[in-house]
Amino acid sequence: EIVLTQSPGTLSLSPGERATLSCRASQSVSSSYLAWYQQKPGQAPRLLIYGASSRATGIPDRFSGSGSGTDFTLTISRLEPEDFAVYYCQQSGTFGQGTKVEIK
Amino acid sequence: EVQLVQSGAEVKKPGESLKISCKGSGYSFTSYWIGWVRQMPGKGLEWMGIIYPGDSDTRYSPSFQGQVTISADKSISTAYLQWSSLKASDTAMYYCVRVLVTGSSYYFDYWGQGTLVTVSS
Repeated sequence: EIVLTQSPGTLSLSPGERATLSCRASQSVSSSYLAWYQQKPGQAPRLLIYGASSRATGIPDRFSGSGSGTDFTLTISRLEPEDFAVYYCQQSGTFGQGTKVEIK
Repeated sequence: EVQLVQSGAEVKKPGESLKISCKGSGYSFTSYWIGWVRQMPGKGLEWMGIIYPGDSDTRYSPSFQGQVTISADKSISTAYLQWSSLKASDTAMYYCVRVLVTGSSYYFDYWGQGTLVTVSS
């Protein structure tokens, strides 16, 4: 079973800054199979990125995904106030433990 | 518009049974897998299992096999998650999700609003 490890656990940044979130798999994963989700407090998660780099419908282009093999990255180019949330990577039945992006 | 609407919050006692629901609309319910995801208080996301309403093919996470039952009634576009004997450790938010299959993997493109299940004596 694949284990997904996200880092850092918490990222403290200011609006307008760039956020870089990491997701590392315990074994090689096809890029087609890596997704990212955003969850705000009190809300259901929503799909941001699928296939490692494809944005889901309605997702702003400040969100981008990249990576291959065992190392994947979610980048938020310029943080907006609504982007402060918890982010999860996922491959099939496995989720990472999440990265919280908080306001510095 | 694709929507997954879940049943309301539940408060139960240990040992009681429970069945929560998720009604899909805005798409062909029998053409997509539906899944369930658990989120315990203050914790991350855990995949529980998926069902294909078209033929009721069901797959469970090893962690949840034998602990819950996933079913679907395609005539009313509704999926279910049920417990025969709840435990306090079942206290969590449960989300239903629409599943998109890509090759041998899948991801979740639409989420229900969640059903909070509280189990307490």
